[in-house]
Amino acid sequence: GAGVSQTPSNKVTEKGKYVELRCDPISGHTALYWYRQSLGQGPEFLIYFQGTGAADDSGLPNDRFFAVRPEGSVSTLKIQRTERGDSAVYLCASSPGAQETQYFGPGTRLLVL
Amino acid sequence: AQSVTQPDIHITVSEGASLELRCNYSYGATPYLFWYVQSPGQGLQLLLKYFSGDTLVQGIKGFEAEFKRSQSSFNLRKPSVHWSDAAEYFCAVVRPGFQKLVFGTGTRLLVSP
Repeated sequence: GAGVSQTPSNKVTEKGKYVELRCDPISGHTALYWYRQSLGQGPEFLIYFQGTGAADDSGLPNDRFFAVRPEGSVSTLKIQRTERGDSAVYLCASSPGAQETQYFGPGTRLLVL
Repeated sequence: AQSVTQPDIHITVSEGASLELRCNYSYGATPYLFWYVQSPGQGLQLLLKYFSGDTLVQGIKGFEAEFKRSQSSFNLRKPSVHWSDAAEYFCAVVRPGFQKLVFGTGTRLLVSP
């Protein structure tokens, strides 16, 4: 079966622009997670969805970051007024339910010029 | 605060030699423990996990890890390293009842001929 997919694989944008990053979880997985991995670091948690609702958004760094999962499947991470410090690899993961193993996608590499 | 320490940033091992990657965690209670591997341009792949029970856990690709409660450690081992094992390895924990993975900073494994 298909794994977690993320699009685009790479995104280059200019400072101040708006970007959207998409995640398609494994079919049937109710839990979805976003992480951010900066160069030389481990991934850092951003937000967790159970179904359509954001159950934990404690990792979002500020109000420029927002994520949705309107139908409980595909999720979009939205970043407004991008800054150079937002450059990182954004990873999405899904799991069959809460407290279960998370399976990661290949990530979207975001570069803000 | 919860934290995961991987004290070795880089490790070089000769092909065919044994490998041990260190991981220590700081938590109030025993968390769930994971090892992931990340190859260049690839997503994170789960090698193994520990939730409870037998403290020696077998994973994929010939890896194993041992949970030692007294040392708050979960070290990853492999008896004979192959060149294809060269990658970045991440230890991660999740607190029972919570969803977000907390990752260490990773150890980059280099395999010499």
